Amino acid sequence: QVQLVQSGAEVKKPGASVKVSCQASGYTFTTYYIHWVRQAPGQGLEWMGIINPSGGSTSYAQKFQGRVTMTRDTSTSTVYVELSSLRSEDTAVYFCARTYSSSSPFDYWGQGTLVTVSS
Amino acid sequence: DIQMTQSPSSLSASVGDRVTITCRASQSISSYLNWYQQKPGKAPKLLIYGASSLQSGVPSRISGSGSGTDFTLTISSLQPEDFATYYCQQSYSSMYTFGQGTNLEIK
Repeated sequence: QVQLVQSGAEVKKPGASVKVSCQASGYTFTTYYIHWVRQAPGQGLEWMGIINPSGGSTSYAQKFQGRVTMTRDTSTSTVYVELSSLRSEDTAVYFCARTYSSSSPFDYWGQGTLVTVSS
Repeated sequence: DIQMTQSPSSLSASVGDRVTITCRASQSISSYLNWYQQKPGKAPKLLIYGASSLQSGVPSRISGSGSGTDFTLTISSLQPEDFATYYCQQSYSSMYTFGQGTNLEIK
């Protein structure tokens, strides 16, 4: 069965960086794109960007350009998102989700990772 | 970026009611419109893709329609498990965007 399993909760200080992982199983890792979507407490869903696990190409939302980096490790079927220069507004649950193509819906999601930014 | 606007933002209804949620795109997105249900503390769940195709395992009381800029999600007879937050999302542009959500509450 398809699973996207994310790393555990993180607490970071303002200005620090955080790296969250998403390990895929149950399908061929390189045949689906992985996206990152975040949700601040009590707020809606916000798309951050996409990575193609096959070649590693990425595309980021304008809002996160320069602060976000998405990478993948094909040997472990894992995708990572790193967000730098953290501020309190980055406190959110971060989800990974897969799509078959760059215009497909999100059919499977990770369980979410809470990142708390606090001094 | 393509803006997605949902209405209403919140809705109170009773079990057995028929409810409709609307989503409008700031430009034509053809049928690249998807709907998700989210319950507290959980990841979103895909309900409808391509504006009107029902995801496997989703009950047939849930349906979607529309194309271009205007879309609707309809639940024909609300069940207790349907009370949740619903989001539309466009996949026409490579820069995906979501609506702000509709919170469906029990009256």
